[in-house]
Amino acid sequence: GQSLEQPSEVTAVEGAIVQINCTYQTSGFYGLSWYQQHDGGAPTFLSYNALDGLEETGRFSSFLSRSDSYGYLLLQELQMKDSASYFCAVRSSGNTPLVFGKGTRLSVIA
Amino acid sequence: DADVTQTPRNRITKTGKRIMLECSQTKGHDRMYWYRQDPGLGLRLIYYSFDVKDINKGEISDGYSVSRQAQAKFSLSLESAIPNQTALYFCATSVSGNTEAFFGQGTRLTVV
Repeated sequence: GQSLEQPSEVTAVEGAIVQINCTYQTSGFYGLSWYQQHDGGAPTFLSYNALDGLEETGRFSSFLSRSDSYGYLLLQELQMKDSASYFCAVRSSGNTPLVFGKGTRLSVIA
Repeated sequence: DADVTQTPRNRITKTGKRIMLECSQTKGHDRMYWYRQDPGLGLRLIYYSFDVKDINKGEISDGYSVSRQAQAKFSLSLESAIPNQTALYFCATSVSGNTEAFFGQGTRLTVV
């Protein structure tokens, strides 16, 4: 089976940097993804890491260490609109569905 | 813009009733999924389908059934709804070889 662990809540100040960690256990590994969900909305794709290292997309970056079964999402220059839930997700192979963590609720405060 | 559409968006039903949630997509994706979201529990997979003739159980399939009527349509049924099936339900799609999933806007189901 697969399991993912991420913090349930994080609070950060507008303009700051925040890191949301995710550790996973899976029988196989086909990459770690991150999704964002605003209250009342649908999850939307943010990033995907299949190989070790950092992937950067604007203010958001995602990191993966396969040897540690660990990844994180880094949000820089936080804005109020970044307040949302963030989910990490894994697939064990190309022919298996995404399995999601329980999500981290990020609150950005002034 | 291509879309993943869920109907209805909100539904209140009584215990014991049969209910169907529908999902249609115009993305041309072969893979479709049904997830359930409960506060603090994240997104849990109910069923998934990788093509029209393929149906697979997910983590929490008990009490649910699905039908993949066409590549673009994937329906979720609750044969006899019970209150603990009250939740937010999401349909999602993806294409084989691509990791990104696209979600519908969700169906909020309340069983009373």
